[in-house]
Amino acid sequence: GAVVSQHPSRVICKSGTSVKIECRSLDFQATTMFWYRQFPKKSLMLMATSNEGSKATYEQGVEKDKFLINHASLTLSTLTVTSAHPEDSSFYICSARVWGLSYEQYFGPGTRLTVT
Amino acid sequence: GIQVEQSPPDLILQEGANSTLRCNFSDSVNNLQWFHQNPWGQLINLFYIPSGTKQNGRLSATTVATERYSLLYISSSQTTDSGVYFCAVETDSWGKLQFGAGTQVVVTP
Repeated sequence: GAVVSQHPSRVICKSGTSVKIECRSLDFQATTMFWYRQFPKKSLMLMATSNEGSKATYEQGVEKDKFLINHASLTLSTLTVTSAHPEDSSFYICSARVWGLSYEQYFGPGTRLTVT
Repeated sequence: GIQVEQSPPDLILQEGANSTLRCNFSDSVNNLQWFHQNPWGQLINLFYIPSGTKQNGRLSATTVATERYSLLYISSSQTTDSGVYFCAVETDSWGKLQFGAGTQVVVTP
């Protein structure tokens, strides 16, 4: 089956620093990847759609200068949280869409970010 | 935008019991997926089911697209079935998913 990895799985950083999260599709090419955010005991909220070779499309209310997304290859998308603050602490999850007979999405294991 | 409602919000089951989870959506959708989020946060794909019925072991799902709902059946539940079950509908051609609020399932021994 399709496998999506994320790195790191857990990160603690100080307020004001930047953190980069990587999302990789391991056994398929993903022209489209997605980034979600999940608060404790809540559902997943889509942050942005990442297309290989083009600018990401952000959902309403998501600051594109705060959450920088780069999709440089067919297997890698990165999310950089810039000048992180405690309110950015959350569980960030990426997904990748498999193109073909079906368009099923597969999710990475998530990255827990804590900003102190 | 599309509204996705899941019921019940919480479910406590004794091991061996059967249950049905429901997902209603407010408009026609391209596709629908069911996921199980385990205690470590990983979303596990259960079903990709825009319409019809599918079965996988003790789990099965039915989507009636014309009536805008989907059902997930868990039979002979086990403690490992505990976790949050999400349905998500695809809202555009790029594949954006709109998630429901989830059903928290606890299976007790």
